[in-house]
Amino acid sequence: DAGITQSPRHKVTETGTPVTLRCHQTENHRYMYWYRQDPGHGLRLIHYSYGVKDTDKGEVSDGYSVSRSKTEDFLLTLESATSSQTSVYFCAIKGDNFPYLFFGPGTRLTVL
Amino acid sequence: EDQVTQSPEALRLQEGESSSLNCSYTVSGLRGLFWYRQDPGKGPEFLFTLYSAGEEKEKERLKATLTKKESFLHITAPKPEDSATYLCAVQSYNNNDMRFGAGTRLTVKP
Repeated sequence: DAGITQSPRHKVTETGTPVTLRCHQTENHRYMYWYRQDPGHGLRLIHYSYGVKDTDKGEVSDGYSVSRSKTEDFLLTLESATSSQTSVYFCAIKGDNFPYLFFGPGTRLTVL
Repeated sequence: EDQVTQSPEALRLQEGESSSLNCSYTVSGLRGLFWYRQDPGKGPEFLFTLYSAGEEKEKERLKATLTKKESFLHITAPKPEDSATYLCAVQSYNNNDMRFGAGTRLTVKP
């Protein structure tokens, strides 16, 4: 079974500080995704990756950057956090043998 | 642009009271429609994938159906443990993204 961990699980930070969220998968699935979930908006795609060093923007990518230097790790960075980036962030993977998204447990980020 | 609208936003049922959740979508070339269940404080969990109009999938008390414009998630004789938020998502042939609806929050009272 695919396994995903996200770290940290909870974080409180201040406006203007940089923040990096980590997603780690135990398999070698090609596709990895970062979503944010907000009340009334559902899940919205921030960035996704289709291989090491191959990434693309999603619907709400402004203010976020990503990196994938290893197959198993996908990092999401907020260069200068703003209060509008307070949200729950989910990482997800999709494999060649399953067409759906498999989600991690989420990271709750609060920007004061 | 792909769009997904779910209704109702919230639904309260008595145990055993069957009902349906709706997912209306517009997409340029449907690759697949997906249903997920999300419990509070957790990530969404995959339930079903539907690929073409007329297709149906069943799992325990849940049955998902698909037409060219919408999908229904039918819940037969629900139990309190079916309480969760149910999310619908579509994927088109044009991209690797899945576009999600805002979800339906289902509460089943004993």
